[in-house]
Amino acid sequence: GQQVMQIPQYQHVQEGEDFTTYCNSSTTLSNIQWYKQRPGGHPVFLIQLVKSGEVKKQKRLTFQFGEAKKNSSLHITATQTTDVGTYFCAGPRAGNNRKLIWGLGTSLAVNP
Amino acid sequence: ETGVTQSPTHLIKTRGQQVTLRCSSQSGHNTVSWYQQALGQGPQFIFQYYREEENGRGNFPPRFSGLQFPNYSSELNVNALELDDSALYLCASSRDYEQYFGPGTRLTVT
Repeated sequence: GQQVMQIPQYQHVQEGEDFTTYCNSSTTLSNIQWYKQRPGGHPVFLIQLVKSGEVKKQKRLTFQFGEAKKNSSLHITATQTTDVGTYFCAGPRAGNNRKLIWGLGTSLAVNP
Repeated sequence: ETGVTQSPTHLIKTRGQQVTLRCSSQSGHNTVSWYQQALGQGPQFIFQYYREEENGRGNFPPRFSGLQFPNYSSELNVNALELDDSALYLCASSRDYEQYFGPGTRLTVT
């Protein structure tokens, strides 16, 4: 069945280092969404990418959607302790844009 | 905050019991999705309701059921609770693609 995979599962960085998480889908996606979940919190929507090759930036966060629309990445420049959390990518199920398939997430820990 | 509320925030039940979790969606949102999130895992899709009708279901047994009311709030019911049902249950409301999550209900089954 349709799957969304994320790597790495965990990442530990020193504050100021960069961080990247990768998301790969077994099928072509009409769009991909990224969410962040802080420890003890709930997922919060970050961004949606729709176009092939699309790149979007939010301050230190850069999101990219692959040309084939099967993979995506989130890059954080110069991490801060406030970046701590789990980053999830999610893509719509084939045939139903309202339902999302979620990756398992990448948990980011930042040492001050 | 997202404007999505869930109740209760925490719940402890024993195996075999039944539980009802509630979710109030954000104003104007006609879709509610329910997720189960075990510790250290990503959200697992349970089912979704769109304008009071079930709009798809994940790999959860029939003892997980739900409904959506005319005001688009929703309930998740779980019968015959099992220990593995212990998890954070999240609801998310949406109108388009962006999902707005509630704070979740932490269910512990002993």
